[in-house]
Amino acid sequence: DVKVTQSSRYLVKRTGEKVFLECVQDMDHENMFWYRQDPGLGLRLIYFSYDVKMKEKGDIPEGYSVSREKKERFSLILESASTNQTSMYLCASSGGGPGTQYFGPGTRLTVL
Amino acid sequence: AQKVTQAQTEISVVEKEDVTLDCVYETRDTTYYLFWYKQPPSGELVFLIRRNSFDEQNEISGRYSWNFQKSTSSFNFTITASQVVDSAVYFCALSEGRRGFQKLVFGTGTRLLVSP
Repeated sequence: DVKVTQSSRYLVKRTGEKVFLECVQDMDHENMFWYRQDPGLGLRLIYFSYDVKMKEKGDIPEGYSVSREKKERFSLILESASTNQTSMYLCASSGGGPGTQYFGPGTRLTVL
Repeated sequence: AQKVTQAQTEISVVEKEDVTLDCVYETRDTTYYLFWYKQPPSGELVFLIRRNSFDEQNEISGRYSWNFQKSTSSFNFTITASQVVDSAVYFCALSEGRRGFQKLVFGTGTRLLVSP
């Protein structure tokens, strides 16, 4: 079975802090994704990566950056957290082609 | 642009009732994939099904069935004899992207509440 893990289930940070959300997958998948989920808006893609050190902006990249130094790990970085970044963050991975995306358990981030 | 519409925000049923979750999509691609995911209260999205645009056969898996109709751009999901454990948010998604790589566009989800 595909396993996608995220470093924290719940996280509370202060405005202006730098925040790192970590995601690890164990299926040797090429593609990894970061989404945020907000009520009434569904899942929105922040960034994705199709290879090590490769990244592309999704639909809402403002205020975020990412890092993929190893194939199995994809990090989401909030350079200076703001209250409007309070949300549920979901990581996913998929194999090549029309690969199904498999999701981690999510990190519920609260920025005070 | 790709778009997925789940018009039903929330549905409430009593256990053992059948329920259908609607999904309508828009795409200009001739080859695409459609997905359904379940998000239980624990938060993790669980993959349920993937269908490609060339396969319009309906699919049944236990109490779950899916009806794909290209003519109406719909990919509806039916749960037969619903159970309390079916309570969750269900997302429909559509693939987009270049060959060899696919992103997903999600609908806003339908919350299903099944009461005993």
